[in-house]
Amino acid sequence: QVQLRESGPGLVKPAQTLSLTCTVSGGSIANPAYYWTWIRQFPGKGLEWLGHIYYAGSTYYNPSLKNRISISIDTSENHFSLKLTSVTAADTAIYFCARDYYYDNNQLDSWGQGTLVIVSS
Amino acid sequence: DIQMTQSPSSLSASVGDRVIITCRASQDISNFLNWYQQKPGKAPTLLIYAASSLQSGVPSRFAGSGFETHFTLTISSVQPADFATYYCQQSYSTPRTFGQGTTLEIK
Repeated sequence: QVQLRESGPGLVKPAQTLSLTCTVSGGSIANPAYYWTWIRQFPGKGLEWLGHIYYAGSTYYNPSLKNRISISIDTSENHFSLKLTSVTAADTAIYFCARDYYYDNNQLDSWGQGTLVIVSS
Repeated sequence: DIQMTQSPSSLSASVGDRVIITCRASQDISNFLNWYQQKPGKAPTLLIYAASSLQSGVPSRFAGSGFETHFTLTISSVQPADFATYYCQQSYSTPRTFGQGTTLEIK
């Protein structure tokens, strides 16, 4: 059974770059059936889809993030990563990584436990 | 972006009640509609995909229906483990979008 785990700093200063990694175990990140996705949940509980990456490297980002986001993948390490630049307090959220089943209905069938990132000086 | 609107935002129910949560899409999304359950301090988990397909391991008291713009999640007989927040999500197009959530509370 696949497992995902987020890791990275829990506190980021305003204007700096948020960097998180999602390590996948129990399955290959190079499996063509899946996209690898980042989602965040704000303190008020709303969920925002940030973007996803395919094993071959193609990406799609939420336009709301205005070119601040990049997602990369390392198939040799079986992990993928999120970078969000120029962060503000509005980027404070729980960040989840998840697996999107591309060969079916694009449902998010596995999630990491989430990691809280606070943007504060 | 496709807007997803859930109703109600919260509801109270007793164990054994039948509960229905509605999700509407701002445009036709065919059957690209998924439902997730989230308990406090945990990640969401997939309940229903493709509008009506039950994810493996999910109890049969959960059922989804709908097509195009109108969808429902029904819990036929609410159990104590079901008190949680439920989210719909469209996977028809990017960016994927979620409903605002429906919190099911104990009456």
